[in-house]
Formats: sequence, structure tokens, C-alpha cells
Amino acid sequence: KQEVTQIPAALSVPEGENLVLNCSFTDSAIYNLQWFRQDPGKGLTSLLLIQSSQREQTSGRLNASLDKSSGRSTLYIAASQPGDSATYLCAVRQAGNQFYFGTGTSLTVIP
Amino acid sequence: SAVISQKPSRDICQRGTSLTIQCQVDSQVTMMFWYRQQPGQSLTLIATANQGSEATYESGFVIDKFPISRPNLTFSTLTVSNMSPEDSSIYLCSVALNEQFFGPGTRLTVL
Repeated sequence: KQEVTQIPAALSVPEGENLVLNCSFTDSAIYNLQWFRQDPGKGLTSLLLIQSSQREQTSGRLNASLDKSSGRSTLYIAASQPGDSATYLCAVRQAGNQFYFGTGTSLTVIP
Repeated sequence: SAVISQKPSRDICQRGTSLTIQCQVDSQVTMMFWYRQQPGQSLTLIATANQGSEATYESGFVIDKFPISRPNLTFSTLTVSNMSPEDSSIYLCSVALNEQFFGPGTRLTVL
């Protein structure tokens, strides 16, 4: 069964720093990988979607990469802002509409 | 894309009562997914709801406890029955097109 792990579990950085969040998965037979943001007590907001055939996707200050063969994805956030403080989740999609979520990284950006 | 709304956004309920959560999507979709997120945890899939057929429940979740309705292609309900404090969670509905979209969640507290 697919297992998705996110490291670190929590991260605190000063405003303006660039940072990297990590996501690893055990089964490389994925359809796509998606990064989400979740604010406390709220639903999930989709940030970036990477198809299995792609290596990276960019949206504004966010860049996500995918290395399927090694079972890894990273989310790079440039010039972090206090408003980026949230929990970031990655999820992989496999055949048969099976979704597997990571445990999340709680990010705090200190003004 | 898909825009999903959920009602109620939050509720505080007494032990032994039931709560029905509504999920509305702005487009027709074949499958809708119901998740539970317990405090400090990642998402756990409760069941998949297909229009015109019985929902498919994941291991550990049963229809008597979490009955689901799917009367049409844009709407679903999840009922949390005979609640106990252990049911205190965020309940999320979602749809999967190429990417997965989530509703804003229902924050349930059981006293």
C-alpha cells in the first residue's frame, strides 16, 4: 500500500526566507501528485498539480518538482510571507481513484 | 475546476445525537468523496459516493454510523449518527476531476 511521508512535520522561518517542503512516497506508480494548503479548521486549497509525466510546475512564488523514480516531490516557496503560514499537504493519486495523503508540514513564517 | 460548498460550517452537538452534513458542487460529477480529519491528523477517506448506487465504505467505517445519500450528480449528504466525543473532527467532501477539489469543511465538536 502506498505510504506518503512529509518532512519536516513543522517548520518555522523568518519572513523573506526561501524554503523547501518535502514529500516522499513508496510506490512510484502514480497518476499525479498534488500540493494543498490548509488553514486551521478549514478545507484544503489546491496549490499545484503535477502529472506523472511532468517534472515541475510553477505558480507565482511556488514551485513543485516531482521525481517519480525516487519517490520524491518538493514544494519550494520563495520569499516567504506571514500569510504563507499554514499546513501544507501532498497527495498522490493512483489508478482507481485512490488518493493517499501525507501527514503535512505545519509552516510558520515569523514577521 | 469545481467549487464546493458545505453546510454547516461548524456545529457543537451532544453525545448520542446525529448530524447531517450537506455538500453541493457547482458541476455534475460522478464520484464524491467524504473524508474525516481528526485533530492533528491527516485525512482519512470515509466513503465514496456514486449517484444511483450505494456508497463504498473504507475499512473501519460502516453505513449505520455514516449513512450517505447521493440523490443527484451535484449533491451529497453525510450523516454522523449516534455521535460520541471521538467523532469530533473536520469532515470534508471532495470531487476529483484531473485534480482534487475540497469543500471548506464542517468542524464538528461532540460534547
